[in-house]
Amino acid sequence: QKEVEQNSGPLSVPEGAIASLNCTYSDRGSQSFFWYRQYSGKSPELIMSIYSNGDKEDGRFTAQLNKASQYVSLLIRDSQPSDSATYLCAVNALSGGYNKLIFGAGTRLAVHP
Amino acid sequence: GAGVSQSPSNKVTEKGKDVELRCDPISGHTALYWYRQRLGQGLEFLIYFQGNSAPDKSGLPSDRFSAERTGESVSTLTIQRTQQEDSAVYLCASSLSPGLPGHEQFFGPGTRLTVL
Repeated sequence: QKEVEQNSGPLSVPEGAIASLNCTYSDRGSQSFFWYRQYSGKSPELIMSIYSNGDKEDGRFTAQLNKASQYVSLLIRDSQPSDSATYLCAVNALSGGYNKLIFGAGTRLAVHP
Repeated sequence: GAGVSQSPSNKVTEKGKDVELRCDPISGHTALYWYRQRLGQGLEFLIYFQGNSAPDKSGLPSDRFSAERTGESVSTLTIQRTQQEDSAVYLCASSLSPGLPGHEQFFGPGTRLTVL
């Protein structure tokens, strides 16, 4: 069973701090990694994708990938209360002859003023 | 359209009734996915379409659940003889293709189903 693991949280950080969200995956063949944000009562929204080892920055968000350690993370700099949401990690896996996305259960982030 | 659309946004039904949920993917997206999300839970994969064929139906929870897709367009998820445990948000997502790269999935707003 190919799995994606995330700490369920909640991860509580003060406004302005860096929030660090972590994800591990089991399939060494995975090549595509995504972070989705899901506000309460809303559908998941894609915020970052990363395909190669290292860091990828987009505004206040940085995705980090380490394929050797099977680890992907999301850093949110200068966290704002509006960042409070559940963050889903998704990893591709070859299954049944096609690439499907395996989603983690999500980490709930709470940014307090 | 600009994004994935789903209808209805909310559906309340009585136990034992059949329901149909509709998904309209992003134009040009060949791959379409249905997920279920129970309150406070993660995403549960139901079925994947490539064009109008469904190579992966492994997530459908029972034979009460079925889905179809017309070409590379609209998909309908049907739940027959609904049960209270079917209450959840049903999410549809689409992607350009299931291959690499470009298979980011984009989600619709979901249909909230309540079975009384």
